Amino acid sequence: GENVEQHPSTLSVQEGDSAVIKCTYSDSASNYFPWYKQELGKGPQLIIDIRSNVGEKKDQRIAVTLNKTAKHFSLHITETQPEDSAVYFCAAGRTGGFKTIFGAGTRLFVKA
Amino acid sequence: NAGVTQTPKFQVLKTGQSMTLQCAQDMNHNSMYWYRQDPGMGLRLIYYSASEGTTDKGEVPNGYNVSRLNKREFSLRLESAAPSQTSVYFCASSEAGQGDEKLFFGSGTQLSVL
Repeated sequence: GENVEQHPSTLSVQEGDSAVIKCTYSDSASNYFPWYKQELGKGPQLIIDIRSNVGEKKDQRIAVTLNKTAKHFSLHITETQPEDSAVYFCAAGRTGGFKTIFGAGTRLFVKA
Repeated sequence: NAGVTQTPKFQVLKTGQSMTLQCAQDMNHNSMYWYRQDPGMGLRLIYYSASEGTTDKGEVPNGYNVSRLNKREFSLRLESAAPSQTSVYFCASSEAGQGDEKLFFGSGTQLSVL
């Protein structure tokens, strides 16, 4: 079946450093790629998304890049802060679809 | 605005018992979903309801049933709980016409089946 692979599973960085999380997807028809942040004891929350007609998108300290040919997409967090510590999920889906596939998650630790 | 509300937050069941997880959203969203989250496996779709009156299977529907009670409420039922159903369950909703783009999640139900 379709799947999304996410790496690394755990990432530890020093406050102020950058963090990068990478994902690959298998379904060539995927055209919508969201990223969700899950804090302890809470449900996932959408933080940024990108569509297949765009190669890069930025929102303050976070950015996403997409390489549709290689079926890779990545999340970049710059100037990390302790409040960025959380589990991050990448996902791949289709516009108007209902079966988004999620990656296994990356637990990010930002050390003060 | 409460967003997506799930009850209960925690539940312990014995094998073979049944229970219903409740979910309600106050954002007037058309579509609602049930996911389960297991360590190292991300979120997997159990069932979804594209609109009031419809329900469809997701990736892991076996052992579950759902009911879209009205536009606001979508429940998940375990008829005969098994230890393999120990998980954290999340309900989500999305706006009309968006499919499952921009999902809004509840805070989860932690279920243990002994």
